[in-house]
Amino acid sequence: NAGVMQNPRHLVRRRGQEARLRCSPMKGHSHVYWYRQLPEEGLKFMVYLQKENIIDESGMPKERFSAEFPKEGPSILRIQQVVRGDSAAYFCASSPSQDGTDTQYFGPGTRLTVL
Amino acid sequence: AQSVAQPEDQVNVAEGNPLTVKCTYSVSGNPYLFWYVQYPNRGLQFLLKYITGDNLVKGSYGFEAEFNKSQTSFHLKKPSALVSDSALYFCAVRSAGSYQLTFGKGTKLSVIP
Repeated sequence: NAGVMQNPRHLVRRRGQEARLRCSPMKGHSHVYWYRQLPEEGLKFMVYLQKENIIDESGMPKERFSAEFPKEGPSILRIQQVVRGDSAAYFCASSPSQDGTDTQYFGPGTRLTVL
Repeated sequence: AQSVAQPEDQVNVAEGNPLTVKCTYSVSGNPYLFWYVQYPNRGLQFLLKYITGDNLVKGSYGFEAEFNKSQTSFHLKKPSALVSDSALYFCAVRSAGSYQLTFGKGTKLSVIP
């Protein structure tokens, strides 16, 4: 049973470029969460999506960041016009339902470096 | 609002000794509490969770955690530490009405041979 998959594992972008991070949830999971981990800090919630719907984006920066989870294919976190402060590890998690008792299972993360 | 505090940035313990990693939380309503472990350049691995019922929860790799409602704590414990337990440990909380996990800043555990 494959776990949560994320790609790429490492991504290097220059300031002003776009970054696209992909997440495929565990088989049978239709709920996806994105978190960001800055150096020396814990994970911060960004957005929660179900298929074709954004449920909670309260942790997303207002500008340059967007997320989607289409009917077919992986969830995408998109960062436009990246800046050095966007350098971080971005983790995706999935769960089988939105029930608060469900465990969120995490992928290996994408480490974004902005030059 | 929900929050988690891990008061120790680092915990050092000798191999074979018991270990404790501390966590306190704040949440409205009943808490759902989780422990995850992160190895260098890896994702988070789920260790255990408390939802309801018995205050002592047993999880993966011999870890357990004790939920204490009066002290709003959920400390992670293991009777005998292994060198391979050395990693970064995160406590997280989620309230019944929330979709998001709120994490502590993490505690680096070093088990000394």
